[in-house]
Amino acid sequence: GNSVTQMEGPVTLSEEAFLTINCTYTATGYPSLFWYVQYPGEGLQLLLKATKADDKGSNKGFEATYRKETTSFHLEKGSVQVSDSAVYFCALSERETSYDKVIFGPGTSLSVIP
Amino acid sequence: KAGVTQTPRYLIKTRGQQVTLSCSPISGHRSVSWYQQTPGQGLQFLFEYFSETQRNKGNFPGRFSGRQFSNSRSEMNVSTLELGDSALYLCASSLGGVQGEAFFGQGTRLTVV
Repeated sequence: GNSVTQMEGPVTLSEEAFLTINCTYTATGYPSLFWYVQYPGEGLQLLLKATKADDKGSNKGFEATYRKETTSFHLEKGSVQVSDSAVYFCALSERETSYDKVIFGPGTSLSVIP
Repeated sequence: KAGVTQTPRYLIKTRGQQVTLSCSPISGHRSVSWYQQTPGQGLQFLFEYFSETQRNKGNFPGRFSGRQFSNSRSEMNVSTLELGDSALYLCASSLGGVQGEAFFGQGTRLTVV
C-alpha cells in the first residue's frame, strides 16, 4: 500500500543553520505531496504542497521539490530560526476511487537553539 | 473565515467511561477526518466522513465510532475507555475533492485515568 517515510528525529540545529528533512513515499499512481507543521500545543498546518512531478512548493522560506524519479519530497530551509521549532509531517494524497486519501509520515521533530 | 473548531480542548475521563468529541469544520467543507496522535504511535487515521457517510476507516477497534450531521459537524465517540486511549485527537476538514489539502483543528487532549 501507499506509505510515507521520514528521517528519524529529533533534529537539533543552531539558528541560521541549513535544514533538510528527508521524505520518501510509495504510491501506485500520481499523488499530491504535502508538508505540514505542528507547533507545540496546536494542530497541524499546511506548510507547502506540490501536485505533480518537478513542482516546487515553497512557503516561509521552506522549499520542497516533487521528485518522481526518486519518489522523494525533501524539505529544505536555508537559515532556520528558533520559531521554526516544531514537528514536521510529510504527507501524500492519492485518488482512491472517488475521493482522495491522505497518508501522513511519522513526523520529524525539529529544535532550533539560539 | 473561521477555522476548524474542536470541543472540548481538554478532557479527563475514568477507565470504562465513554466520551464524545465534537468538530465543526470550515464552512463549506464537507469532509471531516479524525486522527489520534500519541508520542509512541504518531498520527494515526481513525475515519473520514463525507456528506454524512463514512467513506474511509482506519484500523481501530469498534469502540471508536463517529458520525457526521447534515451541517457537516462531526462527533467522535469512544466507549469503554482504556488508559491507552489517552491522546490528542485531531479533526481535519477539507472540501473533499482533489489534492486533499486538509485544515486541522487544535485538537482535544483526552486523558484517561
